[in-house]
Amino acid sequence: QLQLQESGPGLVKPSETLSLTCTVSGGSISSSTYYWGWIRQSPGTGLEWIGNIYYSGSTYYNPSLKSRVTISVDTSKNQFSLKLSSVTAADTAVYYCARALRPRFSPIDSWGQGTLVTVSS
Amino acid sequence: QSALTQPASVSGSPGQSITISCTGTSSDVSVYNYVSWYQQHPGKAPKLMISDVSNRPSGVSNRFSGSKSGNTASLTISGLQAEDEADYYCSSYTSSNTVVFGGGTKLTVL
Repeated sequence: QLQLQESGPGLVKPSETLSLTCTVSGGSISSSTYYWGWIRQSPGTGLEWIGNIYYSGSTYYNPSLKSRVTISVDTSKNQFSLKLSSVTAADTAVYYCARALRPRFSPIDSWGQGTLVTVSS
Repeated sequence: QSALTQPASVSGSPGQSITISCTGTSSDVSVYNYVSWYQQHPGKAPKLMISDVSNRPSGVSNRFSGSKSGNTASLTISGLQAEDEADYYCSSYTSSNTVVFGGGTKLTVL
């Protein structure tokens, strides 16, 4: 049974960089069948796709966040990570890591439980 | 990219059927069959209910069905049950090689 688990600080100061890691268990992140990605949900609002990564390192980002986002993968640890720079209160959200089917990032068939990140001084 | 358009809320009585619409553009829903639907209960992660417009993953009740016409996809839930009360989100692959979600629909079972 595939499991994804987010980890990282729950509180980040404005203008700093948000960093999260997703650990994948019960399956290989090096599978040719899937992308791995991040989705966020601000309090009381809908879902926002942040971006995806393939195990080879190819990345795809939401244009509205592209200038601040970096997603990377560590196949040796079966992990992938999210960095979001220059955060503001608007980046406060529950961040989910997830698995999506190739070739069109759809569907997202497995989700982590989510982790709340609050941006505040 | 603009979010797909969903009604903010729908409601129905137990046993009834409801349909949630998801309207996109010529860059997403209308040109690709990569439309998915997700169910989210409060405080929980979303759960895949429908993929590729109308495919139901293993383990999802056959009371859930999906369809598409033009730039609008739809999720129909038949035989409403109390446990169906949740938020529902659609998503689509886009011609910009991205994913866009709908704003979400809150389903209330009366």
